[in-house]
Amino acid sequence: QKEVEQNSGPLSVPEGAIASLNCTYSDRGSQSFFWYRQYSGKSPELIMFIYSNGDKEDGRFTAQLNKASQYVSLLIRDSQPSDSATYLCAVASSASKIIFGSGTRLSIRP
Amino acid sequence: DTGVSQNPRHKITKRGQNVTFRCDPISEHNRLYWYRQTLGQGPEFLTYFQNEAQLEKSRLLSDRFSAERPKGSFSTLEIQRTEQGDSAMYLCAVGDETQYFGPGTRLLVL
Repeated sequence: QKEVEQNSGPLSVPEGAIASLNCTYSDRGSQSFFWYRQYSGKSPELIMFIYSNGDKEDGRFTAQLNKASQYVSLLIRDSQPSDSATYLCAVASSASKIIFGSGTRLSIRP
Repeated sequence: DTGVSQNPRHKITKRGQNVTFRCDPISEHNRLYWYRQTLGQGPEFLTYFQNEAQLEKSRLLSDRFSAERPKGSFSTLEIQRTEQGDSAMYLCAVGDETQYFGPGTRLLVL
């Protein structure tokens, strides 16, 4: 079992709809959770981080964390073609142990 | 702009050669990380510095790999006797609670 699991996709969502990206993790001691966006050929870009159970909203993005279920998700509202990218979930249990999932490819169709 | 520069951006080398990559944070950060990313995978942790001290190394970091951060600012990653399996994107990240990636160095070993 991978430590951080994501569906590889591609996830295809019509423009203007809500994109929902999911991630599960195995280490119950995990404390910090991150979502990165990565365009093809570029480096990952941090878009959200969350530490506590519940929802955290930033513009069109909402991160949701459920530590009991070991589940973190990212919602993107009003999806735009520029949101088409690979989304990486990262989970940290300490300063040094930060594990990334393999990413979910998101495609926003006009 | 993430405040991290990496050089070179691209490197093509022949198997058996040594290569060195450099990471320059624009502002001061206590923590500096090196990752490796191959196609279709998330970044994999290689090593981590707290100021000039190298605190942890992944088992992925064989004895052909060495990293330094001599003054607690810039860092170098050297790969000796490169192998084709070393071909990847090498990413530097800085930050304490959250990590911000540089643009990466893409290595191709022929």
